[in-house]
Amino acid sequence: SQKIEQNSEALNIQEGKTATLTCNYTNYSPAYLQWYRQDPGRGPVFLLLIRENEKEKRKERLKVTFDTTLKQSLFHITASQPADSATYLCALLTGANNLFFGTGTRLTVIP
Amino acid sequence: DAGVTQSPTHLIKTRGQQVTLRCSPKSGHDTVSWYQQALGQGPQFIFQYYEEEERQRGNFPDRFSGHQFPNYSSELNVNALLLGDSALYLCASSLPDSRRGYTFGSGTRLTVV
Repeated sequence: SQKIEQNSEALNIQEGKTATLTCNYTNYSPAYLQWYRQDPGRGPVFLLLIRENEKEKRKERLKVTFDTTLKQSLFHITASQPADSATYLCALLTGANNLFFGTGTRLTVIP
Repeated sequence: DAGVTQSPTHLIKTRGQQVTLRCSPKSGHDTVSWYQQALGQGPQFIFQYYEEEERQRGNFPDRFSGHQFPNYSSELNVNALLLGDSALYLCASSLPDSRRGYTFGSGTRLTVV
């Protein structure tokens, strides 16, 4: 069956450290992988997209890697801040232009 | 620039009833997707509409149906509500080429009692 798994439900880190979130998938052949941020009671907000032929993508303090052999993406937030506390969702965009989400990881940055 | 607008924001229904949720997409977007998000879970894909037709459907029963209007707005209908239908229902809009990401509304919180 198709699965998109994010390594942990919750992750706590100290302010200033780098947060690393993992997304693993099975039985998908995504054209693109996306990461979203979701705050409580709100809809997800698009952060970054990485193509299957790209190894790494950066945007300000965010970095995403994509390994289609391992079927894994890593999402990094450097110099984390309390304002980064949220749930982060990975999502796979298929060739049919449908977006399928992982289970999410709730990140808490401790001051 | 208005983003995605969903109504109502909250709704309480009784088991067995029917409900209609509404969504207005972001200006310039013509594709609308609906998701169900249970507490503590990721959004689950229900279906996607483009050019007023259902283009793709997730693993949801026929009790879930939808519609897209010529102005690209959309409705989600759920019949014969079950307690398990209680969730946050999210609408997302995009261009047909979804590589720029989806824009989500804040959702409708449906509670079935």
